[in-house]
Amino acid sequence: DIQMTQSPSSLSASVGDRLTITCRASQDIRNDLSWYQHKPGQAPKRLIYAASSLQSGVPSRFNGSRSGTEFTLTVSSLQPEDFATYYCLQHNFSPWTFGQGTKVEVK
Amino acid sequence: QLHLLESGPGLVHPSETLSLTCTVSGASINRNIYYWAWIRQPPGKGLEWIASIDYSGSTYYSPSLRGRVSSSVDTSTNQFFLKLESVTAADTAIYYCARDDFWSGYGFDIWGRGTMVTVSS
Repeated sequence: DIQMTQSPSSLSASVGDRLTITCRASQDIRNDLSWYQHKPGQAPKRLIYAASSLQSGVPSRFNGSRSGTEFTLTVSSLQPEDFATYYCLQHNFSPWTFGQGTKVEVK
Repeated sequence: QLHLLESGPGLVHPSETLSLTCTVSGASINRNIYYWAWIRQPPGKGLEWIASIDYSGSTYYSPSLRGRVSSSVDTSTNQFFLKLESVTAADTAIYYCARDDFWSGYGFDIWGRGTMVTVSS
């Protein structure tokens, strides 16, 4: 199975902060990486697909990038509605595997 | 607009079979460009992919659940299903269904809101 190592597991931040979350794949997954935002009681929401493509309707402060097997989700200026848990997902080779999640809390 | 809605019993007894239904509205599942997936989240833990199925019944399963899990589809009712046998407390989770953008590698673009399943006697 492809392992997705996501870091950090949690962080505290303030509105307006720049946020960076990283996922490293255990092998090459090309660009088959997506990012999700998950709030309690809600369905997870896809933010980014194909490593760097912004999902329609998602604010442009969210950005995805790739360098080899390392993938990064960046939020340029954190907004109150962005406090949530974020997951990466590799969809290159079955079984599809998620990162462990990053919980973003208010500082 | 595409909607997915999970349904099933909120409580299942240990060693019994968990059965869930996902009802798709707003689009037909009888198309060969998507798969349809099940994902779960145990309390306090992360997301775990369980299975994906297409309109013809072609399936992929998580190796960690293989042998206990099966999925099926009914295109006439626009539903797909999950069965998980011999459940234990470790199967307690929120279960989500989602559309799997299988061939593109884009992941799960539309999700249901999830249904909580508790395994307890």
